[in-house]
Amino acid sequence: NAGVTQTPKFQVLKTGQSMTLQCAQDMNHEYMSWYRQDPGMGLRLIHYSVGAGITDQGEVPNGYNVSRSTTEDFPLRLLSAAPSQTSVYFCASSYSYAVSNQPQHFGDGTRLSIL
Amino acid sequence: GDSVTQMEGPVTLSEEAFLTINCTYTATGYPSLFWYVQYPGEGLQLLLKATKADDKGSNKGFEATYRKETTSFHLEKGSVQVSDSAVYFCALSDPKNTGNQFYFGTGTSLTVIP
Repeated sequence: NAGVTQTPKFQVLKTGQSMTLQCAQDMNHEYMSWYRQDPGMGLRLIHYSVGAGITDQGEVPNGYNVSRSTTEDFPLRLLSAAPSQTSVYFCASSYSYAVSNQPQHFGDGTRLSIL
Repeated sequence: GDSVTQMEGPVTLSEEAFLTINCTYTATGYPSLFWYVQYPGEGLQLLLKATKADDKGSNKGFEATYRKETTSFHLEKGSVQVSDSAVYFCALSDPKNTGNQFYFGTGTSLTVIP
């Protein structure tokens, strides 16, 4: 039972480069989301999706794009990396946005450094 | 809007001490409440949950009771171990919200010393 799988686990980029963080879940969950975690700031929501073909912005969406072409996959794209995007990124999924008693399941994170 | 407030850390305790981490919430609907734990270098794992008022969630010796009257969900453990050293997050899920329904506290770091 893989759960939520994130790749890569570590990445170093140069300023201005672009890249895609991958996220896949095998639980047939409708709801998926991306967070960034920075020291002393907890988790901040970047983008989320309530189902295939539907995405929306969270608290800190600038500089990031997402798409949800399938139920399983929810990639996060950095368009032009900036040092301020150095962070740990977590993908999470949940059964359905309409069901409140189901928790989110988290991946192990991607540790991203922008030089 | 919805929000979760939890006590700031870091918290340092000796082994076998009693632990309380305070958590209060604001929600428009009737949310479910969760505690997650994050060990160093790992993602968040669900520790326990409660889905309605007066429910008590429990797991691995940790407990939390959903108190609607005080809008609280404090985490407790009677005797902590070194292996409990981690960051703890309080969270809610509110189905009344269209779109994003999950809200997290900022996390409380716990260190248990032998």
